[in-house]
Amino acid sequence: DAGITQSPRHKVTETGTPVTLRCHQTENHRYMYWYRQDPGHGLRLIHYSYGVKDTDKGEVSDGYSVSRSKTEDFLLTLESATSSQTSVYFCAIRGDYGGGTEAFFGQGTRLTVV
Amino acid sequence: GNSVTQMEGPVTLSEEAFLTINCTYTATGYPSLFWYVQYPGEGLQLLLKATKADDKGSNKGFEATYRKETTSFHLEKGSVQVSDSAVYFCALKSSASKIIFGSGTRLSIRP
Repeated sequence: DAGITQSPRHKVTETGTPVTLRCHQTENHRYMYWYRQDPGHGLRLIHYSYGVKDTDKGEVSDGYSVSRSKTEDFLLTLESATSSQTSVYFCAIRGDYGGGTEAFFGQGTRLTVV
Repeated sequence: GNSVTQMEGPVTLSEEAFLTINCTYTATGYPSLFWYVQYPGEGLQLLLKATKADDKGSNKGFEATYRKETTSFHLEKGSVQVSDSAVYFCALKSSASKIIFGSGTRLSIRP
């Protein structure tokens, strides 16, 4: 298995509270991604990173921020959680070995905002 | 912008039936194309890929051909098994290194 760990795996939080999800890799891969998975929508890209301190927005970035202060960690923060952010969140990593390099996914974090 | 459209599910087939899941894409330049599979309670894992026009990706009896003229990457398998029951995602990697997914197709195989 690719060395990628998401934490926590499950979280229930209240509306309006800040939440941070962590993605940790041991592969030294350049690229890291955060997705959310919702029924009928597949996986939608929230933010991604192409290096330390280098990040860019995805399709559904509103309400989310990210940080990558070191290669191995990519943090996703919900500044003020809302019920619409209840979802399963997946982190992915990808090396820089050409266009066909595959992405490896974590096991997901199930977040419930009540 | 870049996007991926795949056939809606669920798709239910009998064991040993022929499978096709359609996928079309919109992209600038020459994206790489992927099929990922997700088994219940797990993350996604790569099934196959193709990086240029007319390439055929294959794995575990599944195949898909990168068709630039029709902007398609349809997934096929000649004889499905119960163990193939999963959700299948078509995806592309853009020149900006974003990876964009389709909405997924749930496949169920009856014994």
